[in-house]
Amino acid sequence: DAGVIQSPRHEVTEMGQEVTLRCKPISGHNSLFWYRQTMMRGLELLIYFNNNVPIDDSGMPEDRFSAKMPNASFSTLKIQPSEPRDSAVYFCASAKGTEAFFGQGTRLTVV
Amino acid sequence: AQSVTQLGSHVSVSEGALVLLRCNYSSSVPPYLFWYVQYPNQGLQLLLKYTSAATLVKGINGFEAEFKKSETSFHLTKPSAHMSDAAEYFCAVSDPSFQKLVFGTGTRLLVSP
Repeated sequence: DAGVIQSPRHEVTEMGQEVTLRCKPISGHNSLFWYRQTMMRGLELLIYFNNNVPIDDSGMPEDRFSAKMPNASFSTLKIQPSEPRDSAVYFCASAKGTEAFFGQGTRLTVV
Repeated sequence: AQSVTQLGSHVSVSEGALVLLRCNYSSSVPPYLFWYVQYPNQGLQLLLKYTSAATLVKGINGFEAEFKKSETSFHLTKPSAHMSDAAEYFCAVSDPSFQKLVFGTGTRLLVSP
């Protein structure tokens, strides 16, 4: 298996633009997490899906953030409109059981 | 609510010296505990995990950790540091349903020759 695949690896966008981050989990995994990593705040859990259903989105910072998982093999995290303070590395992780596997992340820069 | 506290944002050791990275947890239910490692520009990789079986857990790359309920701790150790161990290490906690994996703030391990 290729592991958790995130795209794009790097994204630079202007403030106010819509940004969509994509994640393909490992086949057969039934849990999916989105995290945001910054120097100031560390790793923050944004949202957690189980069997494609959002279970806990209490970490989503604002209504500008939304996440979907239309099927077991794909998830998106959307920011609309984006702001400079959204600049961070966004990680997707999938799990089956108690081991989470992380993608390599998307480095988002909002200018 | 569950949380972990990692003491020391940076730890420096010499090659060959003992590595000790500290993690204390807070949990209202029996916790599952994890250590992950992150190399530059990479995602996180699982080093080891405690899921209520043996309290001394051995992981990859010679690392191990001991779950101590009385001290609410899950410290990570390695007898002899290698240069390749230089990375950032994260402690994490979840409940047995594994529905919410919460990370600490991380400890950067520096290894000098």
